Amino acid sequence: GAGVSQSPRYKVAKRGQDVALRCDPISGHVSLFWYQQALGQGPEFLTYFQNEAQLDKSGLPSDRFFAERPEGSVSTLKIQRTQQEDSAVYLCASSLAGGFTEAFFGQGTRLTVV
Amino acid sequence: GQQVMQIPQYQHVQEGEDFTTYCNSSTTLSNIQWYKQRPGGHPVFLIQLVKSGEVKKQKRLTFQFGEAKKNSSLHITATQTTDVGTYFCAGPHRGSTLGRLYFGRGTQLTVWP
Repeated sequence: GAGVSQSPRYKVAKRGQDVALRCDPISGHVSLFWYQQALGQGPEFLTYFQNEAQLDKSGLPSDRFFAERPEGSVSTLKIQRTQQEDSAVYLCASSLAGGFTEAFFGQGTRLTVV
Repeated sequence: GQQVMQIPQYQHVQEGEDFTTYCNSSTTLSNIQWYKQRPGGHPVFLIQLVKSGEVKKQKRLTFQFGEAKKNSSLHITATQTTDVGTYFCAGPHRGSTLGRLYFGRGTQLTVWP
């Protein structure tokens, strides 16, 4: 596609609810990142995929967070039993070669947990 | 662990004034990337610097990468209202095979007309 596409753009979840955030990277980009961005902060790394392999998940804040990219293209970030501190913008980015080349970001999903 | 620090956190300038933001890493970076995020938007890539001491220019923007590859700066000459946004530096640390990008906290630039 023309750019990185994320859906939904906005999500309101009740505390305890599970959510799934989708990322459609640029076609041909082997690298995919998920970041969490709180208001007034820089993007915080969550996890990184190279094709379908999740090479780094050290940034996932708890075992309630799970990400997958089963066919090496579309990725889903799942948050189980959401809590208020999970409220943030979740950004997906893709690139040709990890952090060594330009990363293209999607518009993000703003998650609000009430 | 890896930390990328940026200063200042906020900068307010009058249109026409210059602006500089500084980025410092606790470890050597293999490259440094700069991104701009407009209010309500997502980060957009500006430039990548790879070589020690490298300087690159994009119109009114000048980017520098330090000799030790631990610091970088972005300088904007004669700011315009279109420069408003948050500027982030980011980089994978040297030796990283994964290319995990660490982002600084950003410098939020406000330009008064």
